Amino acid sequence: GQQLNQSPQSMFIQEGEDVSMNCTSSSIFNTWLWYKQDPGEGPVLLIALYKAGELTSNGRLTAQFGITRKDSFLNISASIPSDVGIYFCAGFRSNFGNEKLTFGTGTRLTIIP
Amino acid sequence: DGGITQSPKYLFRKEGQNVTLSCEQNLNHDAMYWYRQDPGQGLRLIYYSQIVNDFQKGDIAEGYSVSREKKESFPLTVTSAQKNPTAFYLCASKQGRGDTQYFGPGTRLTVL
Repeated sequence: GQQLNQSPQSMFIQEGEDVSMNCTSSSIFNTWLWYKQDPGEGPVLLIALYKAGELTSNGRLTAQFGITRKDSFLNISASIPSDVGIYFCAGFRSNFGNEKLTFGTGTRLTIIP
Repeated sequence: DGGITQSPKYLFRKEGQNVTLSCEQNLNHDAMYWYRQDPGQGLRLIYYSQIVNDFQKGDIAEGYSVSREKKESFPLTVTSAQKNPTAFYLCASKQGRGDTQYFGPGTRLTVL
């Protein structure tokens, strides 16, 4: 099955730095979702995007639905220790009778003390 | 308290034994999903069910089986035919034709 290309695979940053990651696909999606997963836990939804060009914020997180509908971006401003984890993008294309998400490969964020 | 529960959190089994992982939701969601996650990897879809008494294979269904006899429950059986069953298993659910899936806390299965 298809997985979305997510980059970078991993990031090592200092507390207070801004973070940017992106997700690209060869297919068009109607919806983009961003999840965060803490070690040993299930992913938690951060932001949902429904329209091409849409820019949505959730606290220090901002995500954008690419204008081509084939990509999405997530930015985290002023990172803090609890931002550590794995971030996944997911795309959804409404095919009647086929309600599946396609997930990215994940970006692992580590904060260096 | 609404949500998705998976039990147990950690499960150990001997090679060659079947094992069933539980997933229950009280969100009244129609659709439920099972994913497998290997270390450092993304999520791969095993099976999904959009309605009671119906389910479809995902991308890696071989060696797994499911049932959906009740709306709130979607158990996954890892059979002895699954060649590499040690992994982190995640259950998710969503409401109707919506796109947002909500995940359970996961079960880590280790086959010895």
